[in-house]
Amino acid sequence: GAVVSQHPSRVICKSGTSVKIECRSLDFQATTMFWYRQFPKQSLMLMATSNEGSKATYEQGVEKDKFLINHASLTLSTLTVTSAHPEDSSFYICSAGGGGLGNQPQHFGDGTRLSIL
Amino acid sequence: QKEVEQNSGPLSVPEGAIASLNCTYSDRGSQSFFWYRQYSGKSPELIMSIYSNGDKEDGRFTAQLNKASQYVSLLIRDSQPSDSATYLCAVNPDFGNEKLTFGTGTRLTIIP
Repeated sequence: GAVVSQHPSRVICKSGTSVKIECRSLDFQATTMFWYRQFPKQSLMLMATSNEGSKATYEQGVEKDKFLINHASLTLSTLTVTSAHPEDSSFYICSAGGGGLGNQPQHFGDGTRLSIL
Repeated sequence: QKEVEQNSGPLSVPEGAIASLNCTYSDRGSQSFFWYRQYSGKSPELIMSIYSNGDKEDGRFTAQLNKASQYVSLLIRDSQPSDSATYLCAVNPDFGNEKLTFGTGTRLTIIP
C-alpha cells in the first residue's frame, strides 16, 4: 500500500529556533498533501493543504507566516515552524493519498513530536 | 459546516466481544468513508475504507455504510486488548477534493 515517510520523528529545541519537517510519498506521486497538528488527548486538527507547485491553503486561525509550507515536487512537502515557541510544542502529522479525487484513503506519516524548551 | 460526529467514549468492551463504533455525517453528498485507528502517541493508520451501502468485511473488522441515514459504523469481532485505541471516522465530502473531514474519535478499551 501507499507509504508516507515523515522526518524527523522527534525534535527538541530552544525557543526561537525554526524547525523543518519533511513529508515524502515513497511509492506514489502526491499533488496534494495535508499537515495536521494534534495536542495531547485532543483530536487531529488540519492546519493546511499543501499543493504541488502552488501556494498552500491554510485553515482558519493558522498563521501562514508562522507555518511555512513548500511542496516543490510531487513526492515532497515540507513544513517549517518558524521562530518556534513552547506553545508550538505538539505532534505534527502529514498525510498524502486520496487518489486525486478523494476516492482513495489518505495515508499518514509517522508524525513528528516537536518539543520547544 | 460539514461535520462528522462520533461518541468520544470511552467505550469499554470485554475481550472476545464485539465492539461497535458509530459515526454520523452531515453532508449527504459524501462518497468516501474511512476508519482509522490511532494508538496513543502514534499517527493514525487506515483500518477500512467503504464507498457503497452495505457491509464490507476484512478479517475481524466490518464496516457498515448507510447513506440514506448518513451513518457509518465499524464492528470489531473477537475484540483483543491490542484493539484498544482511538478510532477515527473520516469522510470525504467533496468528490474531486482529497480533503477529509475527521470525527473527534472514539476511545475504545478492551478489558481482558
